[in-house]
Amino acid sequence: NAGVTQTPKFQVLKTGQSMTLQCAQDMNHNSMYWYRQDPGMGLRLIYYSASEGTTDKGEVPNGYNVSRLNKREFSLRLESAAPSQTSVYFCASLSRGPHTDTQYFGPGTRLTVL
Amino acid sequence: KNQVEQSPQSLIILEGKNCTLQCNYTVSPFSNLRWYKQDTGRGPVSLTIMTFSENTKSNGRYTATLDADTKQSSLHITASQLSDSASYICVVSADAGKSTFGDGTTLTVKP
Repeated sequence: NAGVTQTPKFQVLKTGQSMTLQCAQDMNHNSMYWYRQDPGMGLRLIYYSASEGTTDKGEVPNGYNVSRLNKREFSLRLESAAPSQTSVYFCASLSRGPHTDTQYFGPGTRLTVL
Repeated sequence: KNQVEQSPQSLIILEGKNCTLQCNYTVSPFSNLRWYKQDTGRGPVSLTIMTFSENTKSNGRYTATLDADTKQSSLHITASQLSDSASYICVVSADAGKSTFGDGTTLTVKP
């Protein structure tokens, strides 16, 4: 099992450029998430997908779009990148158990917008 | 508003010493509380998960406690090692599945 994988690991964009961050999980989880983490701050939820075919806004969705391509893949798109979107982006998937649940995180994508 | 407050913000200890990290929350209705370890440059990794009925959970040298009445949790690290240097994140989930993340405590273990 690779768990949660993210590509690319690093990216530098100029203001106004667009790009898509890819995320895939091989654990057959229904729910997937995109977070951003700024220096010294906690993770903030951008978008999540409770199941294939559904997506919902999180705490900080402005400037982003998502696609739940299938059960495995959940992508995050920046249509017109801004310096304020410089951050580390983490994808996660959720394992639901009978009594509790836990999230598994990818290694992150470090994005710099100049 | 659901909030998770962690303290201290940062902590430096000597190798072999014990330490305790704190987490206070106002999330309601409570579903579960998780502690994650995040090494520099990596994604968070789950350490412990506790539901309402659990007041302690161990994972090796890591022991988490939960007091659901006072809405407080602690993570105790025993006999610290250099590899324990990381950020420790407290995450509290509500019944609806929404999670609130604390800002983390940065632990540095020095030889």
